[in-house]
Amino acid sequence: DAGITQSPRYKITETGRQVTLMCHQTWSHSYMFWYRQDLGHGLRLIYYSAAADITDKGEVPDGYVVSRSKTENFPLTLESATRSQTSVYFCASSLAGSSYNEQFFGPGTRLTVL
Amino acid sequence: AQSVTQLGSHVSVSEGALVLLRCNYSSSVPPYLFWYVQYPNQGLQLLLKYTTGATLVKGINGFEAEFKKSETSFHLTKPSAHMSDAAEYFCAVTPNDYKLSFGAGTTVTVRA
Repeated sequence: DAGITQSPRYKITETGRQVTLMCHQTWSHSYMFWYRQDLGHGLRLIYYSAAADITDKGEVPDGYVVSRSKTENFPLTLESATRSQTSVYFCASSLAGSSYNEQFFGPGTRLTVL
Repeated sequence: AQSVTQLGSHVSVSEGALVLLRCNYSSSVPPYLFWYVQYPNQGLQLLLKYTTGATLVKGINGFEAEFKKSETSFHLTKPSAHMSDAAEYFCAVTPNDYKLSFGAGTTVTVRA
């Protein structure tokens, strides 16, 4: 199906474990984004990517790693998960970098770190 | 730097009543402004956006918002609430680049 998908939708892990959240889009959008959503904070940008092999930090990048070897995929890795990383994670994509272009959001991944 | 303040984390309205969600922003340059809606267990969906031109912007599902530069506001309204409007609403701002800054969100409850 066309669109933007995230997997898994739900994940429970333990402190110190490595976790990778997957994001896949079928529109060939150049820009992709990772946000985390926490109560009282809205959405905060973790990392973004302007194209394959081009990534940059957002507002809250510490503890996260991203890669983008293919245009359609933008995985987010928590190298050593901490309880403070319990959150809902959203991936988004945009046709280009201009704000004229809407960001399309995936359904989210709810991550719990015990 | 830009920031967004949404006044009221929860709003409860009766079905058929006016929905008013408040958003104020700060931006060092003329901003682009957005309202997104999030239904339970779903991602965010764009309701409407202001970039340039007409300051009254109409969006989907009967929502509209007015950009008031003098008040640095971008309040969202809908004349008559429907049960299906129950959701969380986010205001966002960008200074003409790809990075969005979001408000904390307002949860709307619609009473029958």
